[in-house]
Amino acid sequence: DADVTQTPRNRITKTGKRIMLECSQTKGHDRMYWYRQDPGLGLQLIYYSFDVKDINKGEISDGYSVSRQAQAKFSLSLESAIPNQTALYFCATSDLTGGYTFGSGTRLTVV
Amino acid sequence: EDQVTQSPEALRLQEGESSSLNCSYTVSGLRGLFWYRQDPGKGPEFLFTLYSAGEEKEKERLKATLTKKESFLHITAPKPEDSATYLCAVLSFGNEKLTFGTGTRLTIIP
Repeated sequence: DADVTQTPRNRITKTGKRIMLECSQTKGHDRMYWYRQDPGLGLQLIYYSFDVKDINKGEISDGYSVSRQAQAKFSLSLESAIPNQTALYFCATSDLTGGYTFGSGTRLTVV
Repeated sequence: EDQVTQSPEALRLQEGESSSLNCSYTVSGLRGLFWYRQDPGKGPEFLFTLYSAGEEKEKERLKATLTKKESFLHITAPKPEDSATYLCAVLSFGNEKLTFGTGTRLTIIP
């Protein structure tokens, strides 16, 4: 099993729909992150969590929300999806040394 | 604010043609510099961490080096399977999150 598992791998949804992307990790790390990647723009941080009770906004949090259900689980929601949220979404986890382990990503298309 | 700039944006090499990728950074105090490899549609994969100027690390055809202002990823005699986007990121004292560059897209032509 992968250290960081993201579901679904691919999703097509309609404008205005609510959608949840899920992430689970087996590394035992407290820190988890959600990133968005668009061609040419690199990785943009959406939300991050340093422990179960700690949730922080990243650079581009508008239109997104998160839930940290347990140390191993961190979910990202799009409350009302819009086409410019079409992107690759990555979840990551890290320990105190800072190095990240990424999931395989979710390719989201909003039509 | 931490900043990371990678150059070039894209690089095409013939198989066996050695070259280097650059990562320039500005941080208040470096805790670590990280290199990742990313294949299309996949998550970044960890390659190296460098902690102090003068440090070097190697893995197969890749060698990463670090100075006080930049890091280089040297690729020696590359093969087509080395084609990928290479990402650089820094972690600084006072910022608990990695700051990523936008990457160098490397293509190795057989």
